[in-house]
Amino acid sequence: AQSVTQPDIHITVSEGASLELRCNYSYGATPYLFWYVQSPGQGLQLLLKYFSGDTLVQGIKGFEAEFKRSQSSFNLRKPSVHWSDAAEYFCALSGGSYIPTFGRGTSLIVHP
Amino acid sequence: SQTIHQWPATLVQPVGSPLSLECTVEGTSNPNLYWYRQAAGRGLQLLFYSVGIGQISSEVPQNLSASRPQDRQFILSSKKLLLSDSGFYLCAWTTDTNSYEQYFGPGTRLTVT
Repeated sequence: AQSVTQPDIHITVSEGASLELRCNYSYGATPYLFWYVQSPGQGLQLLLKYFSGDTLVQGIKGFEAEFKRSQSSFNLRKPSVHWSDAAEYFCALSGGSYIPTFGRGTSLIVHP
Repeated sequence: SQTIHQWPATLVQPVGSPLSLECTVEGTSNPNLYWYRQAAGRGLQLLFYSVGIGQISSEVPQNLSASRPQDRQFILSSKKLLLSDSGFYLCAWTTDTNSYEQYFGPGTRLTVT
């Protein structure tokens, strides 16, 4: 069985501060990992993905994520948060099937 | 480029009324198609997925059904809506060639009154 855990339901940061959103997974092999962002009332947009190779992946909007096999983690980071980054963030895993497993999501609140 | 459409964008329906939500994909062929639901303050719940015309798999037993009459068309239906059917419905697609990443439509906000 595969699972994805996003331990933080809400994260609050000040504009300009750095950001790290946590994602832990459970899967018996190396999974495909994804981060999606959802603005209020909209669909999900793919931020970045990890399949293999370099464990630090770059995505859109200045985001990056690092795959750490030893910690079963795939945390999302951004060095300086903008007010427009306020949204819901979902980590997802695919174990080689067409049915992904999503985390419950982390709501990012940005204070001016 | 690929595009995914959903309509309507918003819908208010009384309890017991029927439902039909439509999703279409452009710019790709033979996609895998998915229906998800988001209840308020909750994550994504996979309802149905389809790997081809007429092939529907249900993940959650309920009063909803799905159909795929054409390669790039996916329809979510109900004969009689319940209050608990309220939520944000998202259609998504993926293909064999993009390594399982999913592309989502803009969603339909359904309120059952």
